[in-house]
Amino acid sequence: QQQVKQSPQSLIVQKGGISIINCAYENTAFDYFPWYQQFPGKGPALLIAIRPDVSEKKEGRFTISFNKSAKQFSLHIMDSQPGDSATYFCAASKSSGDKLTFGTGTRLAVRP
Amino acid sequence: DAGVTQSPTHLIKTRGQHVTLRCSPISGHKSVSWYQQVLGQGPQFIFQYYEKEERGRGNFPDRFSARQFPNYSSELNVNALLLGDSALYLCASSLNRGRGTGELFFGEGSRLTVL
Repeated sequence: QQQVKQSPQSLIVQKGGISIINCAYENTAFDYFPWYQQFPGKGPALLIAIRPDVSEKKEGRFTISFNKSAKQFSLHIMDSQPGDSATYFCAASKSSGDKLTFGTGTRLAVRP
Repeated sequence: DAGVTQSPTHLIKTRGQHVTLRCSPISGHKSVSWYQQVLGQGPQFIFQYYEKEERGRGNFPDRFSARQFPNYSSELNVNALLLGDSALYLCASSLNRGRGTGELFFGEGSRLTVL
């Protein structure tokens, strides 16, 4: 059972554009929703995370939007840059531990 | 400061063999987790250890085992390797004190190929 569904699988955006990646979860016990960025040959690195007590969180060019009733959350990358080209994973967990359930990933390519 | 370090970075085994992967967490981190990342997929949780005790186990067969040492480093062992065990094995550490999810810091992984 896939508990976190992520879309799209791949995304091509022009430099300066907005990249949007969506995730949906099933387990209502999840209360921590991070996004990870992974470059080839590297481990995932935390970008930004949100808890369900807020509907939006912004850090620089990265924004998470969270809809608790719809059990959906999304990552927006403003002013996308070629250096943002990577694979992005959404994830979810319960506060009781480090067990993250990851989405299947979105491969983002930002064209110059 | 050093991040999470894993060894070996790459290894090739044959079916039926055994493998041991090693992880050193960030200094001060007492929680270590292991994840399996099959090519083109998101990481899948295998184990979490905190203060040398197993705190969580994912849906993996008993061929997978792990332990954490007094210095908080950890080993992941996989017995009777199958072709499907070929993956990137990621170790992550955190300051999780057992009361909440802290930021996970991942290592660069150990790439296991089973022939």
